[in-house]
Amino acid sequence: ETGVTQTPRHLVMGMTNKKSLKCEQHLGHNAMYWYKQSAKKPLELMFVYSLEERVENNSVPSRFSPECPNSSHLFLHLHTLQPEDSALYLCASSPTPTGNQPQHFGDGTRLSIL
Amino acid sequence: GIQVEQSPPDLILQEGANSTLRCNFSDSVNNLQWFHQNPWGQLINLFYIPSGTKQNGRLSATTVATERYSLLYISSSQTTDSGVYFCAVGRNQGGKLIFGQGTELSVKP
Repeated sequence: ETGVTQTPRHLVMGMTNKKSLKCEQHLGHNAMYWYKQSAKKPLELMFVYSLEERVENNSVPSRFSPECPNSSHLFLHLHTLQPEDSALYLCASSPTPTGNQPQHFGDGTRLSIL
Repeated sequence: GIQVEQSPPDLILQEGANSTLRCNFSDSVNNLQWFHQNPWGQLINLFYIPSGTKQNGRLSATTVATERYSLLYISSSQTTDSGVYFCAVGRNQGGKLIFGQGTELSVKP
C-alpha cells in the first residue's frame, strides 16, 4: 500500500469514447503527477500539479485533459484517443514539487484503445 | 536536459546470485530514486538516495553525486526480484523525474 490509489486498474475504450482516470493520495502531499509508460519503456512525465495548479504540461496532446479539484485528487479526462495512447498511466505524489523529495506512485491504470 | 543511462539493459541470474545495477546521469541532481516494476506493472519505491548509502534487507544502494552515478546491489537474489529496475533523477524543475531505460532482471530458480 503506497498511499496512492488509482482507478480503474484496467480500461478498454474505443477511439470515440470519453472516460476518466482517477487518482487519490492519502499522504497529505501537495504535488501530484501523471506519467505515461508505453510498452516496456521508461515513464514519461505528462503533467504536474502543485496545490491544485498545473505547473508543468509536458507537450501533451489536448485529447488528454487533467483536472485537480483539490490536493488529494487528480483526474485525467480522455477523449478521442488514438491506438498509440494505449499504455500504463501512473499517478504519483510528493510533499512539494521542488524535485528534492521522493515521489510515491500508484499501481497504474492499464489503458487499451480499440 | 539530463540524460540517464542504466546498465546492463538485461540481466539473467540464477537464484542466490548477487548483482550490481548502475545508473549514470549527466548533470547534478537533488533527487534520485530506484524503483522496481514488477510483471504486473506496479512501480515499487526501493530507495530515495540523492547521495550516500542505504540498505534495506537484501538490497542496498549507493549514490556518488560528485561523480554522477548510483549503484543498486541485490544480494542472494530470489525469483520475486524479477522485473525491471528503474533509476530516476530530478532537479529543482517542477518535480520532474527523468527515468532511465531500465534494467530488466530475470532470476531463474
